[in-house]
Amino acid sequence: EAAVTQSPRNKVTVTGGNVTLSCRQTNSHNYMYWYRQDTGHGLRLIHYSYGAGNLQIGDVPDGYKATRTTQEDFFLLLELASPSQTSLYFCASSEGDWGGEQYFGPGTRLTVL
Amino acid sequence: GDSVTQTEGQVALSEEDFLTIHCNYSASGYPALFWYVQYPGEGPQFLFRASRDKEKGSSRGFEATYDKGTTSFHLRKASVQESDSAVYYCALGGTGSNRLTFGKGTKFSLIP
Repeated sequence: EAAVTQSPRNKVTVTGGNVTLSCRQTNSHNYMYWYRQDTGHGLRLIHYSYGAGNLQIGDVPDGYKATRTTQEDFFLLLELASPSQTSLYFCASSEGDWGGEQYFGPGTRLTVL
Repeated sequence: GDSVTQTEGQVALSEEDFLTIHCNYSASGYPALFWYVQYPGEGPQFLFRASRDKEKGSSRGFEATYDKGTTSFHLRKASVQESDSAVYYCALGGTGSNRLTFGKGTKFSLIP
């Protein structure tokens, strides 16, 4: 079974701060995704990637950068964090077959004060 | 663009009741349809999918049938238990990009 890990699990920062969320998958999947989850909005795709060095824009990319350094590692960067980015962030991976089945990590709860 | 609508934000039922969560979609082409489940404190998990009209997906006592005519993929379970309490997401994919579009989710809980 695919394993997706995320770090940190919880993060508190201040408005204007820099934050990096990390994701690692150990099943050699081609595709990796970053989502945010908010009450009333469900899961919304921020960015995704189909391999090292590749980046695709999702549905809510404003204020976020992402970088895929290896097949295993995908990072989400918030360079000037704002309170509106307070959310639960999930990383996921898949082989790329129609975007599913996706394997999700446990999530990172980010609070921007 | 592609979209998924789940009409119920929350559903509460008694044990052994019949559960239905409605999912309708709008997409160009012929999408694959999915259900995911998210238990408290965890990430979403794949439940099952269907790829063509009239195909039934099923897992863990849940089932849904792909209906192209009504653009629906409603989730059903005959007899709910406490362990079914979770958030359920309908999603679509396979419309030209390797990504999913999720609905807003439906939270199911058991009435004590």
